[in-house]
Amino acid sequence: EAQVTQNPRYLITVTGKKLTVTCSQNMNHEYMSWYRQDPGLGLRQIYYSMNVEVTDKGDVPEGYKVSRKEKRNFPLILESPSPNQTSLYFCASGSEGTTNEKLFFGSGTQLSVL
Amino acid sequence: GENVEQHPSTLSVQEGDSAVIKCTYSDSASNYFPWYKQELGKGPQLIIDIRSNVGEKKDQRIAVTLNKTAKHFSLHITETQPEDSAVYFCAAKESGGYQKVTFGTGTKLQVIP
Repeated sequence: EAQVTQNPRYLITVTGKKLTVTCSQNMNHEYMSWYRQDPGLGLRQIYYSMNVEVTDKGDVPEGYKVSRKEKRNFPLILESPSPNQTSLYFCASGSEGTTNEKLFFGSGTQLSVL
Repeated sequence: GENVEQHPSTLSVQEGDSAVIKCTYSDSASNYFPWYKQELGKGPQLIIDIRSNVGEKKDQRIAVTLNKTAKHFSLHITETQPEDSAVYFCAAKESGGYQKVTFGTGTKLQVIP
C-alpha cells in the first residue's frame, strides 16, 4: 500500500530535550516536505527536499533541522524544543513526477513541549 | 509571495444541502489549485485539483470553479453527507517544478444529519 509513515503519533517532551520525528515513504517520490498545522494558521511549510541531499527552508524553519540521506526517509529534528513548537506536524511527499503536486500526507505527529 | 485566503473558517449545513468554500489568491503566476480534505485524526488527502486553463472541474458530488481574472476559486459539494464532515484546505502554486505550495487556513465543515 502506498503510504507516508510518520512516527511517533504522539509525543510529549520537555523544553531542550532533542527529539526526532521520522518520516518514510514507499512511493519512490523525489519530493518530501514537513508542515506544521496550528489553529487558524493552516499548514505552514517547515522544510522541503527535492531529492537526496537537497533540502531547503520553508516558511517557518527556525528551530528545526532535516536531513535527506535516502530517498525514502526525511526525518525532522528538533535540537532544543521550545513550547512554541507544540503543534501538529505532517510529512508529505509529492507524487506528480518531478513536481510537488498531488501531495501524499502522513497521519501526523502531535507534539507537546512542556 | 503568494497569499491564500479561505472563507468561511467554519460551515454547518444540513445533510443533503450544498456547501461552498471560497478561496482567493494573490499571485497571478499561480496556476495550479488543489483542494485537500482532512478527516479527524488523519492527514490531508487530495480530493480534486484544477489548472488555470480550465474554468470548472467536477468529480461526482464535488466541483471546483476558478476565476483567474478575479483570482478566486471555490469548492462546491452537493448533496452533502455526514462523511463529508472534515477540514478542507485550498492551496495555490505555479504549475510544474517545485514552486512553493501555499495553503489556505482551512474550513471546518460539519454536516448535520
